[in-house]
Formats: sequence, C-alpha cells, structure tokens
Amino acid sequence: GQQLNQSPQSMFIQEGEDVSMNCTSSSIFNTWLWYKQDPGEGPVLLIALYKAGELTSNGRLTAQFGITRKDSFLNISASIPSDVGIYFCAGPYSGGSNYKLTFGKGTLLTVNP
Amino acid sequence: EAQVTQNPRYLITVTGKKLTVTCSQNMNHEYMSWYRQDPGLGLRQIYYSMNVEVTDKGDVPEGYKVSRKEKRNFPLILESPSPNQTSLYFCASSGGLQETQYFGPGTRLLVL
Repeated sequence: GQQLNQSPQSMFIQEGEDVSMNCTSSSIFNTWLWYKQDPGEGPVLLIALYKAGELTSNGRLTAQFGITRKDSFLNISASIPSDVGIYFCAGPYSGGSNYKLTFGKGTLLTVNP
Repeated sequence: EAQVTQNPRYLITVTGKKLTVTCSQNMNHEYMSWYRQDPGLGLRQIYYSMNVEVTDKGDVPEGYKVSRKEKRNFPLILESPSPNQTSLYFCASSGGLQETQYFGPGTRLLVL
C-alpha cells in the first residue's frame, strides 16, 4: 500500500505552546484526514480536507491540504493537557479506491501542565 | 446513542482456533471497515465494505475474512489465527468517505 510519512514521531511540549505536525507522501492524495486517538480509545476525526490548498480550522486546530496534494499539516494553538494523545493523518491516495484509507504512523503528543 | 460496538473487547486464544470479532453500528451507515493497530506501524486497513454484500481488501487482508450480510454488522473472521495476528483491532463506519468515520472501542487480541 501507499505510505504516509508523518513527523515528528513524538513531541513533548509545555501547556500553552503551539504545535505543528505534518504528513507527506510520494503519491497524490484525494483527501486528507486528521484523527486523534486518546489512550484506550478509537481514533476520532478532527478535520477533513478535500481540495488542494484548502485551509480548515476547528477551534484551536488548523489543517491545510498541500497544493501538490502530497502533503498536509496540522497545527494546534495554545495547547492544553487534554490535547495529549496520538494524532494520525490519513487519506485515500489518488490511484486507489476512495474507501481504501492509508494512515500515517502517528505523532504522540505529550503536554506538560 | 450513535455508536460502533465490538465484541469481545479482549480475547486470548491459541494458534489455529477459529475466532470471530463482531462489529455492529446503529447509524445506518453504508461504509464499514476493519483496521489493526500495531506499535510503530499506526493503523492499517484490513478489509472494507461499501455496502451489503460489497467488500474489498485493504492493505493487510492476509489471514482474515469478512462478510457483510446485513448493513449494521461487519464481522471479522480469523479462520486459523497465528501469533503475528496479535494486535489491537478497530472497526469503523461512516455514511460515506466524506462523512465522519466513527471508530469502535477496539478489540485487543492475543494469539498464543
């Protein structure tokens, strides 16, 4: 399957700091999805991006669909302790079924109060 | 309450003993999918289904079977489990790709 390279693998930050993580691929993606997984639970969709260049916000979260369709970033502003978790990017690549999703390996975020 | 349920939540079994993990959703979603999550590898799609009787392979289908006889249920079958199938499994459903995908609580499987 296609690969999504997600970075960084982990982050340790202080409460109140801003966070940025990104995802890149050698393949073109039709859609970029960003999920968060809390410990012991399933992932929850945070933001979905459907058009190249699209910039979307959801509260303190902002994500962008790269112009080349091969990358996306997620920013979290003014982090709080409940932001702790694993963040995944995901999407269906352009050459495959829209229902066949590939996930990045995740970014583990730790927020120190 | 809209939800995806999985059973069992935890299972310990032995190599070769057939098992089924059930998945059910109460949102009338057409799309359902199974993933496995392993440390350092993230989530990998096993199988997905676009509707009743319509299923297709994801990235890691080997050793697994699925069926979609009813819209609400999408069981994952391991005919002859092996230790490399020890993992955390998630079922998910959505009304379509551009709809929010809801994940179940996960099933932690250990194959001895």
